[in-house]
This record gives sequence, structure tokens and C-alpha cells, in this order.
Amino acid sequence: SQTIHQWPATLVQPVGSPLSLECTVEGTSNPNLYWYRQAAGRGLQLLFYSVGIGQISSEVPQNLSASRPQDRQFILSSKKLLLSDSGFYLCAWKGPYNEQFFGPGTRLTVL
Amino acid sequence: AQSVSQHNHHVILSEAASLELGCNYSYGGTVNLFWYVQYPGQHLQLLLKYFSGDPLVKGIKGFEAEFIKSKFSFNLRKPSVQWSDTAEYFCAVRTNAGGTSYGKLTFGQGTILTVHP
Repeated sequence: SQTIHQWPATLVQPVGSPLSLECTVEGTSNPNLYWYRQAAGRGLQLLFYSVGIGQISSEVPQNLSASRPQDRQFILSSKKLLLSDSGFYLCAWKGPYNEQFFGPGTRLTVL
Repeated sequence: AQSVSQHNHHVILSEAASLELGCNYSYGGTVNLFWYVQYPGQHLQLLLKYFSGDPLVKGIKGFEAEFIKSKFSFNLRKPSVQWSDTAEYFCAVRTNAGGTSYGKLTFGQGTILTVHP
């Protein structure tokens, strides 16, 4: 069966520091992968999606970037974090009926 | 652009009460519809989905939802809630807008359900 992992689970970083969040998927090949940010009372906002290695599409302009160095690896990065980057970040992959399956998420606090 | 509206931000019920959470979307073409649930401290889980066919879909834990195309709605229902249903519920829609098949979902803002024992 397919599983999705995210790490770290929580992260506290100072403003201006770099960021790297990792997502890996097991049990499927060439999945569509997604990064979301979840804010309280605002649902989920799609940040990036990828249909294959090296292919990244950005949904909203922001301080973050994404990369897909391997088929089942999706990375969310920043060179310099802002306070507004704090949030809960979710990775997801697309199933056969266009549903998406989510990882456990990373809680990022920027101080 | 398509949007999804969940009209109730917070619903409070007693155990055994019936539940209906509203979800409306704005898109006139073909849609796939989903309800997700996030229990306290847990990750987002798929509750049920509508892909095609019977507009009344049944999900896990006794939940069901009805797709009413003419009303652009996909309301979630459960005849008798339990304390363990306390969670946040998200409606989501996937469309073919823009001609892409990347499977992008648009989420509603979520409804917090609190069930008192």
C-alpha cells in the first residue's frame, strides 16, 4: 500500500534562516505530488505541484520554492524564512480517482 | 477561478443528533468532489468522494454526501453523530478548468464539528 512521509514533524526556525522540508512517497511510481499550507479557518492553499521529476508548477507567488529531485521525493525550500512563512505544511499525492492522500504534515514556526 | 464555500465555520451538536454540513462550489463543468476529515492531532483523511454515477455516496464511519448538480452542492450528512466525530471537515473540488489534468483540488475553509457527549 502507498504511504507518504514528511519530516520533520515540527520545526522552529529564526527569521532569515533557510528551510528544507522533505516529503517521500512509497508504494507508487510517478505520482503527482502537491505542497499545501494549512491555516486555521482558511482551509488548504495549494503552493506547488509536480507531475514528474524536475517539473514544478507554482500556484502562488511567495518566498518558497519546491524541487523534485527523485520520482518519489518532493522538497519545499526557502533561502530566507519570513515570519509569514509560519504554518502547517502538507504534502499529498494524487490517487486514481483524483483524490489526494496527505502526509502527516510539518508544523513550522518562524521566530 | 473555481471556489468552494463551507457556510458553517463551527457546528456544535450533542451525541445522537443528525449532522449536515454544507458545501457549495462554483464551477459549471465536470467535477470530482471530496470530503476530508482531520481529527485532533491527526493528519487529513479522505472521508468520501464523488467521481461519477450515483450522486449519493457513502463513506467511512457512517458518513454520506449527496451531489446535487443543479445546486452546485455536495453536503455531508450523518444521521447520528458520536463524540468521536469531533474534528474539522473540509470539502474539496477538482475540476478540469484550464484544460489541465494535474488533479488540483480547491478546498473550502473547513467546518469544525464539536460533539458533546
